[in-house]
Amino acid sequence: EPEVTQTPSHQVTQMGQEVILRCVPISNHLYFYWYRQILGQKVEFLVSFYNNEISEKSEIFDDQFSVERPDGSNFTLKIRSTKLEDSAMYFCASRDLRGQGDEKLFFGSGTQLSVL
Amino acid sequence: DAKTTQPPSMDCAEGRAANLPCNHSTISGNEYVYWYRQIHSQGPQYIIHGLKNNETNEMASLIITEDRKSSTLILPHATLRDTAVYYCIVGSGGYNKLIFGAGTRLAVHP
Repeated sequence: EPEVTQTPSHQVTQMGQEVILRCVPISNHLYFYWYRQILGQKVEFLVSFYNNEISEKSEIFDDQFSVERPDGSNFTLKIRSTKLEDSAMYFCASRDLRGQGDEKLFFGSGTQLSVL
Repeated sequence: DAKTTQPPSMDCAEGRAANLPCNHSTISGNEYVYWYRQIHSQGPQYIIHGLKNNETNEMASLIITEDRKSSTLILPHATLRDTAVYYCIVGSGGYNKLIFGAGTRLAVHP
């Protein structure tokens, strides 16, 4: 089965540094998402992206966050100046919506971000 | 999106059927019921979804009540590898986000 690929699997950074988390969604999927999960907590929606622009974002997704699809295959999440509370597992997901409209999300295996 | 209510935890013996309930009494007519699971800290994995009719695939069966206010996910022969957090989510499909709740932590024991 096709997979969403995320790199790196682990990222350690110093507070205040910029990080870029990378994702390769499933080929031909049209909608892309970032979620995060702080240890022991729920999976939280961050942002959805379609047609090269943000469709929706949550309150968590403030000015420190940005997303980009720099080419035809990658989808990135950038955190400009990391804070301790940004430490979490970040999941990328993609969805194909050329059918009935109920297509499922496919999730990647995540990037564990640790901010020191 | 409608909210769901799930028991926080359940146990199941290996080889037996695991029946995971979900209440979604405020579901709208165009909203689907999705089930995902998360094994340890891996990415959520799609299991099954449905609108009105019962559904079955190679992983599980989904039983939706006639009034659509509740559903049950059935894992017919649970294995130790089915130990995970199971999420019941209602959503209107399309490009809309899925909102995860706390889910049900299913422990399958020998």
